[in-house]
Amino acid sequence: QVQLQESGPGLVKPSQTLSLTCTVSGGSISSGDYYWSWIRQPPGKGLEWIGYIYYSGSTYYNTSLKSRVTLSVDMSKNQFSLKLTSVTAADTAVYYCVRVGYSSFAGDYWGQGTLVTVSS
Amino acid sequence: SYVLTQPPSVSVAPGQTARITCGGNNIGSKSVHWYQQKPGQAPVLVVYDDRDRPSGIPERFSGSNSGNTATLTISRVEAGDEADYYCQVWDSSSDHVVFGGGTKLTVL
Repeated sequence: QVQLQESGPGLVKPSQTLSLTCTVSGGSISSGDYYWSWIRQPPGKGLEWIGYIYYSGSTYYNTSLKSRVTLSVDMSKNQFSLKLTSVTAADTAVYYCVRVGYSSFAGDYWGQGTLVTVSS
Repeated sequence: SYVLTQPPSVSVAPGQTARITCGGNNIGSKSVHWYQQKPGQAPVLVVYDDRDRPSGIPERFSGSNSGNTATLTISRVEAGDEADYYCQVWDSSSDHVVFGGGTKLTVL
């Protein structure tokens, strides 16, 4: 059974960098059948795609966030990570890491999500 | 950018059929996925590639997609189906994952 678990600070100050890591268990991040994605959800609002990364390191980012987002993968630890720079209160959200099918782009396994609050 | 439009809310009595729509320009040419999200929980994939169900999802959940509208149909609705539902596609023209705004299903 594949499991994804987000980890990282729950509170980030404005203008600083949000950093989260997703640890994958029960499956290999180096599988060519999947992308590894981050999706966020502001409190009381809908889902917003942030970006995804392939095991090879290829990345695709939401245009609206592209200038501030970096995704990376660490195959030795079976983890992938998100960095979002220059955060504001608008970046306060539950952040989910998600396994996404390579051909379908359907998110079949999701982490439980982690709330990140941007506040001084 | 590609836009998906969902009704904010749908209400249905227990045992009846709920239909949640997802509108988009020529969405019938894309593969649509549907997620169920209950309060405080992560979304769960309930239909992928328009009409397929992941293992463990009841047959009561079905999907269709044609023209400018995709539809998630929930038959014999139960109280436990009350949740937010999101549609999602991959827009190849922009290389973006796109979500609909979500529909809150209320079981009366």
